[in-house]
Amino acid sequence: AQSVSQHNHHVILSEAASLELGCNYSYGGTVNLFWYVQYPGQHLQLLLKYFSGDPLVKGIKGFEAEFIKSKFSFNLRKPSVQWSDTAEYFCAVNEGYQKVTFGTGTKLQVIP
Amino acid sequence: DAGVIQSPRHEVTEMGQEVTLRCKPISGHDYLFWYRQTMMRGLELLIYFNNNVPIDDSGMPEDRFSAKMPNASFSTLKIQPSEPRDSAVYFCASSLHSSTNYGYTFGSGTRLTVV
Repeated sequence: AQSVSQHNHHVILSEAASLELGCNYSYGGTVNLFWYVQYPGQHLQLLLKYFSGDPLVKGIKGFEAEFIKSKFSFNLRKPSVQWSDTAEYFCAVNEGYQKVTFGTGTKLQVIP
Repeated sequence: DAGVIQSPRHEVTEMGQEVTLRCKPISGHDYLFWYRQTMMRGLELLIYFNNNVPIDDSGMPEDRFSAKMPNASFSTLKIQPSEPRDSAVYFCASSLHSSTNYGYTFGSGTRLTVV
């Protein structure tokens, strides 16, 4: 079965620091990859997605992610975080079917 | 479009009572998903429907949980009887088959507390 690993459970950064959140998945075939963000008290929102083409994808709010097929990874990055980026971030993988598997999430706390 | 609408936003109930959570997907979306979110287990897929038909309910924790989708614009998740360990945030999400690669749209969730 498909699995998604997010190794960082809780990350604390100061404003303007750079961010990289790790995501690894287990499936070896064609995958679609997503990052979702959940702001405190809110529902999940799609941050960015990859399904083909350029492995470096750009999302909203200055976030980007790089798909490295050989490493089964889809890490999320942002060069300079803001306090408003405080949220929980979920990596998700879709094997081409409708069923999407989510990682356990990474809580990001940005200190002003 | 109003997005995926869930009700109620918060529910507090006593152990043993029946709880019904409701979801209205985005109009035209043909897939609907129920997820449960807890601190311990993160996001778990409970069940999903395609064209109102349940496709995969392997995530439903036990027989106390049931879900229905009587029509394309409404789904319910019922817990009977409820237990304190059912306390969680329950999310509904919908998607359009032709855009399966574009991710889901989530509702705002129902925070369930069973005391």
